[in-house]
Amino acid sequence: SQQGEEDPQALSIQEGENATMNCSYKTSINNLQWYRQNSGRGLVHLILIRSNEREKHSGRLRVTLDTSKKSSSLLITASRAADTASYFCATDPISGGYNKLIFGAGTRLAVHP
Amino acid sequence: EAGVAQSPRYKIIEKRQSVAFWCNPISGHATLYWYQQILGQGPKLLIQFQNNGVVDDSQLPKDRFSAERLKGVDSTLKIQPAKLEDSAVYLCASRGTPGGGYTFGSGTRLTVV
Repeated sequence: SQQGEEDPQALSIQEGENATMNCSYKTSINNLQWYRQNSGRGLVHLILIRSNEREKHSGRLRVTLDTSKKSSSLLITASRAADTASYFCATDPISGGYNKLIFGAGTRLAVHP
Repeated sequence: EAGVAQSPRYKIIEKRQSVAFWCNPISGHATLYWYQQILGQGPKLLIQFQNNGVVDDSQLPKDRFSAERLKGVDSTLKIQPAKLEDSAVYLCASRGTPGGGYTFGSGTRLTVV
């Protein structure tokens, strides 16, 4: 079963604009991670935010986490054509067992020159 | 540090045939995951190993899928017999320590015809 749901499913913007993707999840988590996947390629880890953090930055990326609403957002500022990819949020749910990642369905981002 | 290695990169088989995928995780990583990613969807966890033991295979279709990690290092995932709906990318990931990052391989793209 998939834990997270991304919104929107697809996003099309012009270079230089900002892109915002949202993720909602269902159960309590240890952390939430965002990944990028270029067409036909593997997953690349972008950023991890722990359950006790509210905001995190990495270069042009800004991630927020609201555990009371069980939601997160990923902001990519000053987008580039090379940012065109699918973006997935993945949660590490609190459980009595071992850590694992549960992925959402992803947002497909297209950045046009 | 070398990444997670997977082979083959692509595989095309007919339905009812058998297929096997191989994964070599990052050296020293105790936890290994197999994910199935159907086109247009997020990755779905199939099975999780801790060293050479299975800790989660709740979403593995055990009537046709099997996986092993005999020496706690590399792993194989087998499908026998394959169905059309098994067409997907099979991703392997490894993780060194609890709280550590996940590293994904490039995946094996399986097409069942």
